[in-house]
Amino acid sequence: ELKVEQNPLFLSMQEGKNYTIYCNYSTTSDRLYWYRQDPGKSLESLFVLLSNGAVKQEGRLMASLDTKARLSTLHITAAVHDLSATYFCAVDITYTGNQFYFGTGTSLTVIP
Amino acid sequence: EPEVTQTPSHQVTQMGQEVILRCVPISNHLYFYWYRQILGQKVEFLVSFYNNEISEKSEIFDDQFSVERPDGSNFTLKIRSTKLEDSAMYFCASRVAWETQYFGPGTRLLVL
Repeated sequence: ELKVEQNPLFLSMQEGKNYTIYCNYSTTSDRLYWYRQDPGKSLESLFVLLSNGAVKQEGRLMASLDTKARLSTLHITAAVHDLSATYFCAVDITYTGNQFYFGTGTSLTVIP
Repeated sequence: EPEVTQTPSHQVTQMGQEVILRCVPISNHLYFYWYRQILGQKVEFLVSFYNNEISEKSEIFDDQFSVERPDGSNFTLKIRSTKLEDSAMYFCASRVAWETQYFGPGTRLLVL
């Protein structure tokens, strides 16, 4: 059974601190996506990682992909309150690129 | 900026009734998806659609579910005989190719 696991599930951190969210998956894939979801809202795309070693950065967030380890990370630098949300990784598991499995989600709360 | 739209935003139905959820994907997108998210849980893949046919479907997408793209713009999800456990937020998404998916705002379905 395919598993896409994130840890931690819940993260409370102070403003200004750094932290990393991990996304592990159990099948071969070299396409991974990160999304943000605010409470009661839809999903907003953050990063698209399409190859081993891919690294993308936007503002205080940086995502990377290690396909050999089946691991992606989302690193938060100097957190601010506006980053409070739930973050999901999603793995594309078919050659056609048309079947996605989402991780369990990480609920991030940044405390002023 | 183009966006995915969904109607209705909320739907309440009685168990055993049929519901149709509607989506208008972004006009030049080629791949279309339906997901569901039970309150507080992860996003679950239901089905993908490409070139006017189902591309992939998950175990959740049983005979009670069907999808159509009746007129080249709308993309619908039909649940033939709703169950209590179908209560969830349903998201439609679309994309061009290997890029990220763009999600609609969702339809909150409540089955009584």
